[in-house]
Amino acid sequence: GQSLEQPSEVTAVEGAIVQINCTYQTSGFYGLSWYQQHDGGAPTFLSYNALDGLEETGRFSSFLSRSDSYGYLLLQELQMKDSASYFCAVRVNTGFQKLVFGTGTRLLVSP
Amino acid sequence: NAGVTQTPKFRVLKTGQSMTLLCAQDMNHEYMYWYRQDPGMGLRLIHYSVGEGTTAKGEVPDGYNVSRLKKQNFLLGLESAAPSQTSVYFCASGGRALQETQYFGPGTRLLVL
Repeated sequence: GQSLEQPSEVTAVEGAIVQINCTYQTSGFYGLSWYQQHDGGAPTFLSYNALDGLEETGRFSSFLSRSDSYGYLLLQELQMKDSASYFCAVRVNTGFQKLVFGTGTRLLVSP
Repeated sequence: NAGVTQTPKFRVLKTGQSMTLLCAQDMNHEYMYWYRQDPGMGLRLIHYSVGEGTTAKGEVPDGYNVSRLKKQNFLLGLESAAPSQTSVYFCASGGRALQETQYFGPGTRLLVL
């Protein structure tokens, strides 16, 4: 089976940098995705890492270490609108490639 | 281009009643998925489809059925609703080429009394 662990909640202030970690145990691993979900909204895709290293997209960066079964999402220059839940999801191949989601990290950004 | 749409947005059912949730996408995606989201449990895959006329079970399929008669539509049915099926249901679609990216609908909030 697959399991993912991420912190349940993280708090930070505007302008700060925050890192949300994700560790996983899985078979048939292809890569790690990150999704953002605002309260009452739908999950939206943020980033994907198939290879080790850092991927940067604007204020957001995502990192993967396949050997450590570990990744993180880095949010810089935090804004109030970044308050949301962030889900890591592993892309796995169990006869069909699918995403298995973590339980999510709630990020609270304060002024 | 509406993306992924879901009908209805909210529904209240009594135990034992049936209903169908409709998902439609206009991005010509091959793959479609139904998830449920419960507090503290993330998104769990109920059923999925890799193409028109095909469906398969996900992690939590019991109590649900699905059909994909047209490529753009994916229906989720509850034959006999139970309180344990109270949840938010999300439909998603994705292309074969970028399977790490799924596009989600706005969700359907279902309350079973």
